[in-house]
Amino acid sequence: GENVEQHPSTLSVQEGDSAVIKCTYSDSASNYFPWYKQELGKRPQLIIDIRSNVGEKKDQRIAVTLNKTAKHFSLHITETQPEDSAVYFCAATGNRDDKIIFGKGTRLHILP
Amino acid sequence: AAGVIQSPRHLIKEKRETATLKCYPISRHDTVYWYQQGPGQDPQFLISFYEKMQSDKGSIPDRFSAQQFSDYHSELNMSSLELGDSALYFCASRGRSSYNSPLHFGNGTRLTVT
Repeated sequence: GENVEQHPSTLSVQEGDSAVIKCTYSDSASNYFPWYKQELGKRPQLIIDIRSNVGEKKDQRIAVTLNKTAKHFSLHITETQPEDSAVYFCAATGNRDDKIIFGKGTRLHILP
Repeated sequence: AAGVIQSPRHLIKEKRETATLKCYPISRHDTVYWYQQGPGQDPQFLISFYEKMQSDKGSIPDRFSAQQFSDYHSELNMSSLELGDSALYFCASRGRSSYNSPLHFGNGTRLTVT
């Protein structure tokens, strides 16, 4: 089955700087890669997703890149703000089964 | 539009008791997923249903069972509760017909076993 590795587990970034979170996946059949943001005690919320027929997608300060050959994808947050502090999860899913497998998460701290 | 509704929001049970968690998916979503999230952990997939049939199974203990009803709502039944079952339980839904569409999560049920 699918296995998703996520790095780093913790990331501290000065406010206004950029943050990058990286994930790798194991199942070459995976073709959908969402990113979720989760605040303490709250539900995961989708912030951006990318499908395997696209290499990059951007939504305001958030962008995701996908390298299918290397089986890795990354989340980029620019001009970070205090409200970006949260845990971010990458995930992957494929054709064979439709469950979404999450990475272990990255706790992002935005420093004032 | 209403999101995924879970009930109850909080539940306190004693060891060896049973618990039932309910999930009402977004209208027209035919696929429901259950995830368990321990403190500081990533969400762990338990089980999923498509059109009232179990579609996939993850790390769900034999003490747990689940089903999806004709109105697409789902219930997670947990018996012989253990202290380690204390966690946030999320239900998520999506429309299967929307290929590779995102999961929408409910607000979760926080289960505490004492």
